[in-house]
Amino acid sequence: DGGITQSPKYLFRKEGQNVTLSCEQNLNHDAMYWYRQDPGQGLRLIYYSQIVNDFQKGDIAEGYSVSREKKESFPLTVTSAQKNPTAFYLCASSIGQDSPLHFGNGTRLTVT
Amino acid sequence: QKEVEQNSGPLSVPEGAIASLNCTYSDRVSQSFFWYRQYSGKSPELIMSIYSNGDKEDGRFTAQLNKASQYVSLLIRDSQPSDSATYLCAVISSGAGSYQLTFGKGTKLSVIP
Repeated sequence: DGGITQSPKYLFRKEGQNVTLSCEQNLNHDAMYWYRQDPGQGLRLIYYSQIVNDFQKGDIAEGYSVSREKKESFPLTVTSAQKNPTAFYLCASSIGQDSPLHFGNGTRLTVT
Repeated sequence: QKEVEQNSGPLSVPEGAIASLNCTYSDRVSQSFFWYRQYSGKSPELIMSIYSNGDKEDGRFTAQLNKASQYVSLLIRDSQPSDSATYLCAVISSGAGSYQLTFGKGTKLSVIP
């Protein structure tokens, strides 16, 4: 079955450590996205990529980094510079910019 | 700044009733509209897409779009307790060769047995 796989489902880290969240899709979608969702809050865009080897900052990119070396993969690194990293992270993909997003199951990151 | 507004709720309806969820958007040239359902602790799931004025029906769900009023709604007929979730409205606007997808903050629906 085609879909978007995020791993791990839960992730625990100590403050000051960088951590990388995985996102893989086999939908052959060109565009991929990372969102953050905090309790009771809406979705906030971190980074997006419309094509391999290219990506753009979203609304809250500070403290995060991404890469897009393969069409299928769009990993997100949460760096120690991110002041409040504890959140639910959602990866999504779409056929193109004007198409609906399809989401992975999310990674819940807790930093203590 | 493009905005998508939803009443945060909670909206409570009895089982079997019609639930009506509303969404307004600020950008007149918005062209694509989506409704997502998000259960607590889960990721959003696309349930409806609508692109032109009028109604679009899919099972118990009906999306209604009125571009003149910049308003899109989702009706859920014969509401079930399993419909209890947060519903997100999403709008795509285009301009200068690019597209922007904006999400509302969601309306929490509670269907009471």
